[in-house]
Amino acid sequence: TQLLEQSPQFLSIQEGENLTVYCNSSSVFSSLQWYRQEPGEGPVLLVTVVTGGEVKKLKRLTFQFGDARKDSSLHITAAQPGDTGLYLCAGARSGGSNYKLTFGKGTLLTVNP
Amino acid sequence: GAGVSQSPSNKVTEKGKDVELRCDPISGHTALYWYRQSLGQGLEFLIYFQGNSAPDKSGLPSDRFSAERTGGSVSTLTIQRTQQEDSAVYLCASTRQGNTEAFFGQGTRLTVV
Repeated sequence: TQLLEQSPQFLSIQEGENLTVYCNSSSVFSSLQWYRQEPGEGPVLLVTVVTGGEVKKLKRLTFQFGDARKDSSLHITAAQPGDTGLYLCAGARSGGSNYKLTFGKGTLLTVNP
Repeated sequence: GAGVSQSPSNKVTEKGKDVELRCDPISGHTALYWYRQSLGQGLEFLIYFQGNSAPDKSGLPSDRFSAERTGGSVSTLTIQRTQQEDSAVYLCASTRQGNTEAFFGQGTRLTVV
């Protein structure tokens, strides 16, 4: 059973277009994170959202955490070739003071010049 | 160290041989994760160490896989009698106590021939 479902799995767009990718679950998470991974590298954290309904902006990227803390979205405005990469969401579930991260399978984004 | 360090960066081994992959987490980070990533895919959880607690081994795919973490720092993932389906990138990440921000190494690309 995949705890975190990401969609779409693949996305290929032209430079300047907008896009949204989704991360959905039937489970509640203490927090949810988005990472971007480029070829040959490990994932790099973009943002952490912790409050239901929270919206965070990072330049052209907008992240939203669902009210019930079960889902999240990432919206990119005016995509650029440098945005190309694998976008991964990860949910953290609390066990006392400890956390365990579970990752989705990712959305592979290609932005064509 | 400044970041999570993994070695070797690439490993080619013959089917049936044993391999050891090493992860040196960020100093002071109490949690350490191992993930496996097949080509173009998301991260498959393997094992999670948190301080002195018993590790969560629920993601290990078979008894050929084992991992240890000595002195709460360096971790070694061992794969015995390697099979071609073990070929993947093995990623290690660490986090601080009570924090969900994961820092990843660059991974070890394992190829079983």
